[in-house]
Amino acid sequence: QQQVKQSPQSLIVQKGGISIINCAYENTAFDYFPWYQQFPGKGPALLIAIRPDVSEKKEGRFTISFNKSAKQFSLHIMDSQPGDSATYFCAASDSGNTGKLIFGQGTTLQVKP
Amino acid sequence: NAGVTQTPKFRILKIGQSMTLQCTQDMNHNYMYWYRQDPGMGLKLIYYSVGAGITDKGEVPNGYNVSRSTTEDFPLRLELAAPSQTSVYFCASSPPTGAITEAFFGQGTRLTVV
Repeated sequence: QQQVKQSPQSLIVQKGGISIINCAYENTAFDYFPWYQQFPGKGPALLIAIRPDVSEKKEGRFTISFNKSAKQFSLHIMDSQPGDSATYFCAASDSGNTGKLIFGQGTTLQVKP
Repeated sequence: NAGVTQTPKFRILKIGQSMTLQCTQDMNHNYMYWYRQDPGMGLKLIYYSVGAGITDKGEVPNGYNVSRSTTEDFPLRLELAAPSQTSVYFCASSPPTGAITEAFFGQGTRLTVV
């Protein structure tokens, strides 16, 4: 199975709150898990990424938590800001030397001021 | 730096017409990709290329063709447009895979087939 399942489809958070987006995968060959951020009218841009040799990666207010046994990973946005309002995609890839990404369905985040 | 440039930004096609979506990158990346984005469906890989002269099918290749004659350019061809091809198309490029491999996306082409 090549699917990556993402939830929720949409999320509304108050300014200063924590936004949490979850993803699950089935293919155990996946070994690279990036998150992309997309603003309206723009292409996706890499936000943060992790490989399964670590369980957590933090960059500023953004943290990926990774659970290899459960085949799940999540994005946590601490102290969410209105500027974080965007669509977020999780993705997965294997080391087949092609860089092909399998994307989740996307989560539209709205941070209310 | 221009990065990944896609043209046109918008296009309306009639059923049965053909067109080419242009994509060029100036980062000397070997890998290039075409994705389509539909509401609630995420991005689906149409075709990809690991270098000049080499292309391969992705998840949803039917109705599309590609070529890769140079490192910089990766055009996507629609031969007989169908309403099901109404979508936003993104071209992307990336360097060879490594610890963290970033795919750089263009701004997209919004295509409507009527």
